[in-house]
Amino acid sequence: GENVEQHPSTLSVQEGDSAVIKCTYSDSASNYFPWYKQELGKRPQLIIDIRSNVGEKKDQRIAVTLNKTAKHFSLHITETQPEDSAVYFCAAREGGNNYGQNFVFGPGTRLSVLP
Amino acid sequence: DSGVTQTPKHLITATGQRVTLRCSPRSGDLSVYWYQQSLDQGLQFLIQYYNGEERAKGNILERFSAQQFPDLHSELNLSSLELGDSALYFCASSPGQYQPQHFGDGTRLSIL
Repeated sequence: GENVEQHPSTLSVQEGDSAVIKCTYSDSASNYFPWYKQELGKRPQLIIDIRSNVGEKKDQRIAVTLNKTAKHFSLHITETQPEDSAVYFCAAREGGNNYGQNFVFGPGTRLSVLP
Repeated sequence: DSGVTQTPKHLITATGQRVTLRCSPRSGDLSVYWYQQSLDQGLQFLIQYYNGEERAKGNILERFSAQQFPDLHSELNLSSLELGDSALYFCASSPGQYQPQHFGDGTRLSIL
């Protein structure tokens, strides 16, 4: 089955700097990769996602890149703000039939943006 | 508000007991997913239903079971509860395979 690794486990950056979180996956058939942000005690919220037929996607200060050959994908946050502080999870959807989808999540990265 | 409703928000019970967690997906979403999140841990996928049928299974214990009803709401049943079952249980829903999942606010289960 799919295995997702995520690095780093914790990340501290100064406000205004960029943050990069990297994930690797094992199943070459995985075809959809969402990123979630989870604030303390709250539900995970989708912040960006990418399909396997796309190499890069951007939404304002957030971007995701995917390298299918190397089986890794990364989250890039530019101009970080204190409200970006949270735990970020990457995930990979295992390849399978159209509506049967096992999502495997990475262990999470705790991002702290220091003012 | 994600549109996914989970009840109850909190549940406190004792070892050996059985509980039922309920999830109502967003209007129009046919897929429902259940996840377990232990303290300071990641999200463990338990099970997925699509339009009433089980479609994918993750690390779900045999003591746990789930179902999705014709009105698309889903229930997760946890039995013979152990201290280690204390966790936040999330439900998420999505319309289909490449659409993102939207999470409910979770049910916090505490086993005493």
